[in-house]
Amino acid sequence: GAGVSQSPSNKVTEKGKDVELRCDPISGHTALYWYRQRLGQGLEFLIYFQGNSAPDKSGLPSDRFSAERTGESVSTLTIQRTQQEDSAVYLCASSLAGTSGPWEQYFGPGTRLTVT
Amino acid sequence: GNSVTQMEGPVTLSEEAFLTINCTYTATGYPSLFWYVQYPGEGLQLLLKATKADDKGSNKGFEATYRKETTSFHLEKGSVQVSDSAVYFCALSASSGYSTLTFGKGTMLLVSP
Repeated sequence: GAGVSQSPSNKVTEKGKDVELRCDPISGHTALYWYRQRLGQGLEFLIYFQGNSAPDKSGLPSDRFSAERTGESVSTLTIQRTQQEDSAVYLCASSLAGTSGPWEQYFGPGTRLTVT
Repeated sequence: GNSVTQMEGPVTLSEEAFLTINCTYTATGYPSLFWYVQYPGEGLQLLLKATKADDKGSNKGFEATYRKETTSFHLEKGSVQVSDSAVYFCALSASSGYSTLTFGKGTMLLVSP
């Protein structure tokens, strides 16, 4: 079946502009994660959605970052007033969920964001 | 908090050489451990995992054993191929239920013919 998809694959934006990144998880996966991968670094957790529960926003680096998810489907990550340090690859992952984890996370191809 | 440390790369090997990529972790409780691989131009994919001490994960000729006494999960392969060239990430998740992954910085492997 289809994997996790993300769009756009590449985004170049000017400093100060807002950007919106999209993630389509695997159908049936109730858990959705956003990570950021800056050059030469590992992946940093940003935010987690699980069903109708309140999202875990503990990884968001500033209040310029926000994310939404519609039910158990599409999620959008919004970065307002982008800064050069926001340049990174933003990765989305989805998984099944429940207490008998851990559940394998399936990653999308990522969106490469470049802030000029 | 949780953390993962893995050896810096790039690791450069000739085809058929033996591979070890070291990974150590710091975590409370009993985390699950993972190796993810990112081939050039592709997304991250799970390579192998181990969920409890002394478990050995294996896939595609790669192996890693969960060593609680040394808090390690080193990745090994007996004979690498050019097609194994990729970036390898060690990661952990908390002991049960939902958990985000904590990743190491990744190790690039370059295999030459």
